Amino acid sequence: DGGITQSPKYLFRKEGQNVTLSCEQNLNHDAMYWYRQDPGQGLRLIYYSQIVNDFQKGDIAEGYSVSREKKESFPLTVTSAKKNPPAFYLCASSTGNQETQYFGPGTRLLVL
Amino acid sequence: DAKTTQPPSMDCAEGRAANLPCNHSTISGNEYVYWYRQIHSQGPQYIIHGLKNNETNEMASLIITEDRKSSTLILPHATLRDTAVYYCIVRVAYGQNFVFGPGTRLSVLP
Repeated sequence: DGGITQSPKYLFRKEGQNVTLSCEQNLNHDAMYWYRQDPGQGLRLIYYSQIVNDFQKGDIAEGYSVSREKKESFPLTVTSAKKNPPAFYLCASSTGNQETQYFGPGTRLLVL
Repeated sequence: DAKTTQPPSMDCAEGRAANLPCNHSTISGNEYVYWYRQIHSQGPQYIIHGLKNNETNEMASLIITEDRKSSTLILPHATLRDTAVYYCIVRVAYGQNFVFGPGTRLSVLP
């Protein structure tokens, strides 16, 4: 099946640790995106990448880093995780920049 | 900030049509209207999008007013599995990212 994979579904880390969230797609999409969703809120864009080895900051990039070494992979690192309400991290991809985006199942990060 | 206004919540009886409104009074001529939905603890699911003509697919219909300042998403026969948060988004086809507001929480009642 073609789709976007995010794992694990739940991730626990201690405050101050770095944590990397994975996102893999086999849709042959060029563009990939990371969003964060806080409880009861809409989605906010963290980073996006239009092609391999290129990425741009979104609205809330501070405290995050990404890489895009392969077309199918777009990992997100949370640098020095902070103790906040559990956030839901969503990865998406599209055939080209600004085309219809398709989302993965998400990873919920809990910082203890 | 999101360019759309949606009611925070709505109820619909199972089997009836669900009509979800969205106001986008500042929409520009080259901006599309997109609809996504998010079932609890899952990633958003694309439903439909349009520019100025009404659109229909296997999931829903999108009705855009002639002045394009508002639109309505129609789920013709709502089921319990349609209970979700529905997001209305306006954006140009190229050059802007999606901006998700709080959406409308639709509850389909048995």
